[in-house]
Parts: sequence; structure tokens; C-alpha cells
Amino acid sequence: ILNVEQSPQSLHVQEGDSTNFTCSFPSSNFYALHWYRWETAKSPEALFVMTLNGDEKKKGRISATLNTKEGYSYLYIKGSQPEDSATYLCAFHHLGLNNAGNMLTFGGGTRLMVKP
Amino acid sequence: SAVISQKPSRDICQRGTSLTIQCQVDSQVTMMFWYRQQPGQSLTLIATANQGSEATYESGFVIDKFPISRPNLTFSTLTVSNMSPEDSSIYLCSVRLQGAGTEAFFGQGTRLTVV
Repeated sequence: ILNVEQSPQSLHVQEGDSTNFTCSFPSSNFYALHWYRWETAKSPEALFVMTLNGDEKKKGRISATLNTKEGYSYLYIKGSQPEDSATYLCAFHHLGLNNAGNMLTFGGGTRLMVKP
Repeated sequence: SAVISQKPSRDICQRGTSLTIQCQVDSQVTMMFWYRQQPGQSLTLIATANQGSEATYESGFVIDKFPISRPNLTFSTLTVSNMSPEDSSIYLCSVRLQGAGTEAFFGQGTRLTVV
């Protein structure tokens, strides 16, 4: 069983605050690390798919970093807005297991609530 | 990208009954998956739906409880059989496209409550 952990489980911030959360994953058999945003009653949507150690990706006010050697990724949100309220999921895509490595193992998610 | 239509979006069912969830994709996809998220738990893979053959189930999930059909490359169903309150979860259909990196696309989910 692969261990993918996210922290914190939930986070309440004020509008305008910057915030970050963590995803930790096994450092072996790494293929990719995904971040998804899941709003209530909607489909999870991909934010980033990261494959290279040291990679940094950015989409608007949201950015992510990746350290495959130590097995962690950070997601940052700058100047949080109420519309950022959602659950943020990370998923570890690994090689060599189950159907040629097509399986994603998800963390438990970080639920972010941004108060106006 | 892929647009996935999943239905029903929610249902309340009596224990002992079965519910079939449908997933329709707007393009032909090779990889189609079914996930479950129980309250307070991680999104967990139930099985990979294989076109024209039996689904591949993950540890802890069996065909008798979660029969899956995939008659073609754009459609799949998941049945939750002989339901108990422990089956109350969000069930998600997901696909991955060849040539689109490894990003996954999801349906809107089916929120199931078993009473």
C-alpha cells in the first residue's frame, strides 16, 4: 500500500492571505505528481502534472514545487480569494505497479475555506 | 480534454438494493477508472474498466459487489450491489487520454446514501 499524505487536512484563511499545503509521497518508482482542485458538486480538475525533480509550475495565483528525492510537493496560493475554497488533492503516479503503472494513488486532500 | 457525463448525480437507496452508475465520455478513451471516496477518506481506486473484457479490481474490491461493464470506448457502468450503509460514498468515473500527459479527467460524481 502506497502512502500519500496531505497536510493540513483543513485550513481556514482570510481573503488576501497566502497559504500553502504539503503532499508527501514515496520517493521510489516515481513517474509524476498531480494536483487537483475539487469544488463541491463539481468534477475534480487538474491543476498541475509534475514530473521533474525541482520542477516549479504556476497557474495564476497558484504554484507548486516538486522534490522527488525527498518525496514531497508544496502547493502555494497567493492572495487567497473566496472562490479558491475547495479541496485540493494530490495524486502520486508510480511506475511498475498494476497495469503498467497507470494507477494514481490519492492523498486525503486539504480542504481550504477562504473567508471574505 | 474530455467531457464526462456521470449519472445519477445523487441517490438515496435502501439497504439490500443495487444502484447502477453510468459514465459517458465525449471521445474514445483507452483508460477508464472507477473511484470511491468514503466520508473522511481518500479517493480510492475501485477498478480499471477494460473495454470488452472483465474489469481489473484493486485489493479489497470484488466483482460480485462492484460489477463493471464497458461495452465500448466511450461508456461504462458501475453497479453497487446489495448495498449497506458502509457503501455511502461519492463514486467517481475517471478517464485518461493517450497523448495528453497523464492528467486525469473526472465526472461530477455520484453521491450515494444508503439508509
